[in-house]
Amino acid sequence: EAGVTQFPSHSVIEKGQTVTLRCDPISGHDNLYWYRRVMGKEIKFLLHFVKESKQDESGMPNNRFLAERTGGTYSTLKVQPAELEDSGVYFCASSPLGQGPNYEQYFGPGTRLTVT
Amino acid sequence: AQKITQTQPGMFVQEKEAVTLDCTYDTSDQSYGLFWYKQPSSGEMIFLIYQGSYDEQNATEGRYSLNFQKARKSANLVISASQLGDSAMYFCAMRFAVDASKIIFGSGTRLSIRP
Repeated sequence: EAGVTQFPSHSVIEKGQTVTLRCDPISGHDNLYWYRRVMGKEIKFLLHFVKESKQDESGMPNNRFLAERTGGTYSTLKVQPAELEDSGVYFCASSPLGQGPNYEQYFGPGTRLTVT
Repeated sequence: AQKITQTQPGMFVQEKEAVTLDCTYDTSDQSYGLFWYKQPSSGEMIFLIYQGSYDEQNATEGRYSLNFQKARKSANLVISASQLGDSAMYFCAMRFAVDASKIIFGSGTRLSIRP
């Protein structure tokens, strides 16, 4: 079974540009999550999809970030325009539907975003 | 407020020794899950071990065990007989029944194993 995959693995862009990160969850996983780790700080929750619906987007930092999950399969996270403080590692995770707090979320390898 | 604290930013341990990574948490919820993840230099997050708040026995998974002390709100990870491949970042994390969407992470501990 393939794990969570993320693309690209690393992106370097200039301030003001746009970047789109992609996440492919494990097949059949209806829950999809985005997290990010800004340098030296904790990994922070960004948002949670259940299928194509946003269940919780309380962690999205501002309106420069737009997440979509059309069709309930893969998800994209667009940053437009990117700022220096957006640099960090963006993780995607997925889990099957109906699981409570005692089940893990399966994480992807992350996308390292560098804004210069 | 719900919070995870890892007070050890970095640790060095001799190969084959046991190591304890500290984790304390703060919550008023009664139902929650505690996790440890490993992040090697390659970047992926690897699930290691889980402990439920109502579990009476400490969780164990191979060389990993979780020293769960509920009254003290601590969930330390113990790695027995450390190996060079254990060198990585280790994150303590929590998930709550009332809001199972998100996982809250600690700041991590970088473990380095010396040969």
